[in-house]
Amino acid sequence: AQTVTQSQPEMSVQEAETVTLSCTYDTSESDYYLFWYKQPPSRQMILVIRQEAYKQQNATENRFSVNFQKAAKSFSLKISDSQLGDAAMYFCAYRSANTGNQFYFGTGTSLTVIP
Amino acid sequence: DGGITQSPKYLFRKEGQNVTLSCEQNLNHDAMYWYRQDPGQGLRLIYYSQIVNDFQKGDIAEGYSVSREKKESFPLTVTSAQKNPTAFYLCASSIGFRTGSAFFGQGTRLTVV
Repeated sequence: AQTVTQSQPEMSVQEAETVTLSCTYDTSESDYYLFWYKQPPSRQMILVIRQEAYKQQNATENRFSVNFQKAAKSFSLKISDSQLGDAAMYFCAYRSANTGNQFYFGTGTSLTVIP
Repeated sequence: DGGITQSPKYLFRKEGQNVTLSCEQNLNHDAMYWYRQDPGQGLRLIYYSQIVNDFQKGDIAEGYSVSREKKESFPLTVTSAQKNPTAFYLCASSIGFRTGSAFFGQGTRLTVV
């Protein structure tokens, strides 16, 4: 089974500042997908951003962007201009493009936004 | 609006009782999943289904059962054999098996009383 590691259980950021959440993964495959999900206090999982491994260009979605380092098996999430509504648990996830039978999740990073 | 609906939001189970969690989607997705979430452990896969009338065990299937009689529906039964069922349960779907992002329902919080 693939392993997804989030080594930062908790992070904090000042409102309007930038924060980066880290994620590493272990796989022997070359074709896969990576995701960042947000889980606010309501506990519904919301897709933030997605990256296909075959794409060299890093994905961006408004204030959210990733730094995808395939050789290093690293997939960090950068949140720019942090807002109070960004406070949540953030989960990194991996999905194989070959077997694809499940999404593997990290243990999450709890982000606090300080006004 | 398209989406995934889980019900109920909160569920209480007595010892030795089976309970069923509902999951319905109108996204026309083929693949559906059940995940369990415990504090500090991320999400763990219970069961998944690629297509109607087919489903496979995930990493922690013991004490759970599912059915997939309709494309839209993937109910999860927590049986009395599940020794520690108190958890948050999330249902998800994706457009295909091996493709697509996972979209989640609102979750069901199950508590044993």
